Amino acid sequence: QVTLKESGPGMLQPSKTLSLTCSFSGFSLSTSGMVVSWIRQPSGKSLEWLAAIDWDGDKYYNPSLKSRLTVSKDTSNTQVFLKITSVDIADTATYYCARNPDYWGQGVMVTVSS
Amino acid sequence: EIVLTQSPTTMAASPGEKVTLTCLASSSVNYMYWYQQKSSASPKLLIYYTSSLASGVPDRFSGSGSGTSYSLTISSMEAEDAAIYYCLQLTSTPWTFGGGTKLELK
Repeated sequence: QVTLKESGPGMLQPSKTLSLTCSFSGFSLSTSGMVVSWIRQPSGKSLEWLAAIDWDGDKYYNPSLKSRLTVSKDTSNTQVFLKITSVDIADTATYYCARNPDYWGQGVMVTVSS
Repeated sequence: EIVLTQSPTTMAASPGEKVTLTCLASSSVNYMYWYQQKSSASPKLLIYYTSSLASGVPDRFSGSGSGTSYSLTISSMEAEDAAIYYCLQLTSTPWTFGGGTKLELK
């Protein structure tokens, strides 16, 4: 079955770089049409799509954060990564990875605090 | 960017009541997707391609719409349907979610 799981630092300081990993199984990102997205949700708020990478290695970013985001995948097509530079308190949220549009990970909570 | 506006923001429904949630897009989209999120769980896909029921989703849920106006209908409210519902468009990047509708049990 399809599963995704996010991992990250839990807490980091402002101005640092946030590195997140999405490990998945049950599908291959090399299969035509597959897309993995990163989405975040601050506590009590709606969902915000951040970035995505597709089977062909094409990358898509939310323009509102594009300068700070980098999405990538590993050569075995079983992990997708997201880096967010220069984090601040506003980046505190639960971060999800998802296989568009159906399967989501459980999410990882990230707190930015000094 | 396509902005999705959901209404109402909050509502309460009695068991057995029919519920209709709306999602309006600022520009035409090809399809709409609907998700259900309970407490701190990750969103669960209910409807894809506007009206197709995701696997395992009860058939009291249905979706419809076209262009800029879409809706999610629950034919008969059940207690387990109390949750927050989000719409999502994948027509053009940045892909965007609606602000959500909180559905409570009356």
